[in-house]
Amino acid sequence: AQSVSQHNHHVILSEAASLELGCNYSYGGTVNLFWYVQYPGQHLQLLLKYFSGDPLVKGIKGFEAEFIKSKFSFNLRKPSVQWSDTAEYFCAVNDNFNNDMRFGAGTRLTVKP
Amino acid sequence: EAQVTQNPRYLITVTGKKLTVTCSQNMNHEYMSWYRQDPGLGLRQIYYSMNVEVTDKGDVPEGYKVSRKEKRNFPLILESPSPNQTSLYFCASSGDRDRARNSPLHFGNGTRLTVT
Repeated sequence: AQSVSQHNHHVILSEAASLELGCNYSYGGTVNLFWYVQYPGQHLQLLLKYFSGDPLVKGIKGFEAEFIKSKFSFNLRKPSVQWSDTAEYFCAVNDNFNNDMRFGAGTRLTVKP
Repeated sequence: EAQVTQNPRYLITVTGKKLTVTCSQNMNHEYMSWYRQDPGLGLRQIYYSMNVEVTDKGDVPEGYKVSRKEKRNFPLILESPSPNQTSLYFCASSGDRDRARNSPLHFGNGTRLTVT
């Protein structure tokens, strides 16, 4: 079964700093990749997704992620973070053979104003 | 408005007292799932359902039951709750069955359960 690793447990940045959150998965077959965001006290919402095609995916609120198949990675990036980006970010993977969406442990992002 | 509705939002109960957390979606989704969220562990799948009367175990099914008698509803049942089931629970749904694998999940607002 696949697993998902998010290496950064808690990231603290100042506003306007650039962000990169790591995500690696273990499954070697065809996968579908997602990043979800959970703002304080709220449910998870989809940020962006990758199924096929251009490995650089653009999502909402200026976020983007790059799928690098050779590295089994799907890192999330944003050139300039804002205080309102303070949230927990989850990477998720599912494959084309079963329906269990696997989530990483999450990365808590704190952006200082 | 398209949504996944969970009730209750907060629940405090005692060990052994049966409880049900309801989940309902209005998007005609075939796929529904339950997760628990614990600090440092992310979301772990409890049970999922591909369609009415079809349910399967996820990663952490022990101590939980589900049913899918209607397409829109997917209740989570704790027959005899224990303190280690204290957690934040999310219900989610996605796409139709054939697209469930690459359809994003729509989440409910969560149920914070405390078992004393």
